Amino acid sequence: EAQVTQNPRYLITVTGKKLTVTCSQNMNHEYMSWYRQDPGLGLRQIYYSMNVEVTDKGDVPEGYKVSRKEKRNFPLILESPSPNQTSLYFCASSDRDMNTEAFFGQGTRLTVV
Amino acid sequence: ILNVEQSPQSLHVQEGDSTNFTCSFPSSNFYALHWYRWETAKSPEALFVMTLNGDEKKKGRISATLNTKEGYSYLYIKGSQPEDSATYLCASHNNNDMRFGAGTRLTVKP
Repeated sequence: EAQVTQNPRYLITVTGKKLTVTCSQNMNHEYMSWYRQDPGLGLRQIYYSMNVEVTDKGDVPEGYKVSRKEKRNFPLILESPSPNQTSLYFCASSDRDMNTEAFFGQGTRLTVV
Repeated sequence: ILNVEQSPQSLHVQEGDSTNFTCSFPSSNFYALHWYRWETAKSPEALFVMTLNGDEKKKGRISATLNTKEGYSYLYIKGSQPEDSATYLCASHNNNDMRFGAGTRLTVKP
């Protein structure tokens, strides 16, 4: 079954404690991206990756890092989380030709206190 | 920053009503326009991906049109049902960027 898997689904953490949200896809997609969703703002792109070892900033990259060492995995790293990073996060993947649909993970609801 | 705008922000209709909402997007360096349906507590799921000016796509009671020259797309739902209640997101693919609108939240009352 075609899948994008994010972990964890829910996380409550404290300010400054490094965390990683994992994302894995089994469709051999080249393109992967991270979004955050905040009320009234839709999905805002944090980072995206066109292929292994190729990553680029989206609209709201501050406070986040990513890596793409393998095609299937695209973890999102928060080195020093802050309360303004409390949000719902989605990972998505698609073929390099983005004229095909994107597949989304289940979402990670992060609360930073 | 090139914005994708959706209207209305929310919509309440009665079961059986037909409805439509709008997505406006940048027309420069345009590659594709995506529509997604997003139910609460689930992941967004693709409805349509459209690329050509004048494209029309249909899936059951839901259809969409695309005007790339003026930068807008309409999503239509015919004979709305309570199970159509969801947030409908559009996303514009320009260059290497896929930008989403804030969505239209549709509530269909039985």
